[in-house]
Amino acid sequence: DQQVKQNSPSLSVQEGRISILNCDYTNSMFDYFLWYKKYPAEGPTFLISISSIKDKNEDGRFTVFLNKSAKHLSLHIVPSQPGDSAVYFCAASVGGGATNKLIFGTGTLLAVQP
Amino acid sequence: DAGVTQSPTHLIKTRGQQVTLRCSPKSGHDTVSWYQQALGQGPQFIFQYYEEEERQRGNFPDRFSGHQFPNYSSELNVNALLLGDSALYLCASSNRVLAKNIQYFGAGTRLSVL
Repeated sequence: DQQVKQNSPSLSVQEGRISILNCDYTNSMFDYFLWYKKYPAEGPTFLISISSIKDKNEDGRFTVFLNKSAKHLSLHIVPSQPGDSAVYFCAASVGGGATNKLIFGTGTLLAVQP
Repeated sequence: DAGVTQSPTHLIKTRGQQVTLRCSPKSGHDTVSWYQQALGQGPQFIFQYYEEEERQRGNFPDRFSGHQFPNYSSELNVNALLLGDSALYLCASSNRVLAKNIQYFGAGTRLSVL
């Protein structure tokens, strides 16, 4: 049972435009969500997170939106840069703290074209 | 400040053998989690160690076991290897007190079972 779903395996955008990566979840107990970026031959790198008590969190070019009623979150990257090309994973957890297991989606490969 | 380090980077084993993977957490971190990432999938939680004890476990058989040492480093052991155990094994560390739900990942160990 896939509790966290990323239905788009890949996304291609032009440099300077907005990239929107989507994630859906089924477990209503999830209360913390994270986005990780992964380059080949490297481990996932933390990008941005959001608690279920918020509906938006911004960090520079990255913004995450959470729609609890739809059980949907999205990551917006504006403007997109070629260095953003990577696999992006959405992850969710139940309960606060850094010790809860993360449930990951299958990832979306983002390609930013110069 | 060294991040999470894992060794070895690559490993080739044959079916039925046993393997040990190693992880050193980020400085200041006391909790280590292990994940398995099969090709085309997101990381799947195996188990988590804190204070030298297994605290949480994902849906993995008993062939997967681990250990945490007093210096917070950790080992993942897999016995009776199966072809399906071929995957990237990721170690993540975090600090139980600092919270923020962020786990920091190493670059992983690529295990191939022939």
